[in-house]
Amino acid sequence: GQQLNQSPQSMFIQEGEDVSMNCTSSSIFNTWLWYKQDPGEGPVLLIALYKAGELTSNGRLTAQFGITRKDSFLNISASIPSDVGIYFCAGLSFSLSGGSNYKLTFGKGTLLTVNP
Amino acid sequence: DVKVTQSSRYLVKRTGEKVFLECVQDMDHENMFWYRQDPGLGLRLIYFSYDVKMKEKGDIPEGYSVSREKKERFSLILESASTNQTSMYLCASSRTETQYFGPGTRLLVL
Repeated sequence: GQQLNQSPQSMFIQEGEDVSMNCTSSSIFNTWLWYKQDPGEGPVLLIALYKAGELTSNGRLTAQFGITRKDSFLNISASIPSDVGIYFCAGLSFSLSGGSNYKLTFGKGTLLTVNP
Repeated sequence: DVKVTQSSRYLVKRTGEKVFLECVQDMDHENMFWYRQDPGLGLRLIYFSYDVKMKEKGDIPEGYSVSREKKERFSLILESASTNQTSMYLCASSRTETQYFGPGTRLLVL
């Protein structure tokens, strides 16, 4: 099946630093999503990307859909303690087989720790 | 706001017990999903459903079954719980590509 390679696995940074993480695949995706999971909670959608080359921001977060459609990155600027959590990328490649159209492939996550 | 709720946040069961995990969404979404999350393994899809009474196996369906009798409710069933099913279980729903997750159920099987 399809796989997403997400890196880094974990990051330990100082408050105020910028953060960058990415996902790559050998498969093409039509949509990229980035989620954040706070400790003990379910993942929450941060940014959705729909077109190759698209660059989208959400506050201090910026994400890009790679030109080749096989990768995406997420940047967080000026990190703060509440940025702590696990960040997941997810990709969707459309299937013509009806019901499985919206099955996402997830990366294994990047665990971010921010030192105040 | 989309709301996905799961019946329990924490659950402790014994080996061999039958376990039901319930998930309810209030946005009339067609698609619903069950994942388990384990350290280092990320989210793994167990089963999903794209319509009432429809179900499809995900990547790790063994030891699990599901039920979708109503559009808003998707149940995950562990017929005979085993210790290797100790995990965080996440339910999600979607209309299109964006999945909305519940808060998760942390299941411990002793």
